[in-house]
Amino acid sequence: KQEVTQIPAALSVPEGENLVLNCSFTDSAIYNLQWFRQDPGKGLTSLLLIQSSQREQTSGRLNASLDKSSGRSTLYIAASQPGDSATYLCAVANQAGTALIFGKGTTLSVSS
Amino acid sequence: GAVVSQHPSWVICKSGTSVKIECRSLDFQATTMFWYRQFPKQSLMLMATSNEGSKATYEQGVEKDKFLINHASLTLSTLTVTSAHPEDSSFYICSAYLAGGSYNEQFFGPGTRLTVL
Repeated sequence: KQEVTQIPAALSVPEGENLVLNCSFTDSAIYNLQWFRQDPGKGLTSLLLIQSSQREQTSGRLNASLDKSSGRSTLYIAASQPGDSATYLCAVANQAGTALIFGKGTTLSVSS
Repeated sequence: GAVVSQHPSWVICKSGTSVKIECRSLDFQATTMFWYRQFPKQSLMLMATSNEGSKATYEQGVEKDKFLINHASLTLSTLTVTSAHPEDSSFYICSAYLAGGSYNEQFFGPGTRLTVL
């Protein structure tokens, strides 16, 4: 059974720092991996999606990497801003068209 | 990008009543939609997989007679929480699967916050 773990559970950094969020999954036979952002009381905002054949994806200050063989992904946030404060969720799909399996998230707080 | 809507965005109801939540894919057709539930400070957990024209598949521990799912068209799935109780209070989020082309991705609705008094 696929399990997704995110470390750390919470992170507080001053504005301007570069930071890394970690995600690991137990079954390396995934279809894709996705990073989401969730603001308190709100829905999900998709940040980056990495197909199993890809190694990384970039969008603005965000970079996500995938090492399928070791069952790990990282989300790198450059030059963090207070507006980046949110919970970041990692999720994997084992096959095309199947439900996502989510980690418990990392709650990020960026202070000005 | 593909857009998924949910209605209502929030609902408060009395214990024992039923509540219907709608999930619509606005600009694409989805043969498969998913319903997730998120309790406070928890992550999203899959409740059921909804397939157009067939019965939904429920995850272990989710009562199919309590959480009725209907996927009658390629753009609409509904979740009805029957005889709701306070322990059903949660954040319910749907997603619709878009297959083909450059996509093979789920798109999420904004969620529905259910509070049962």
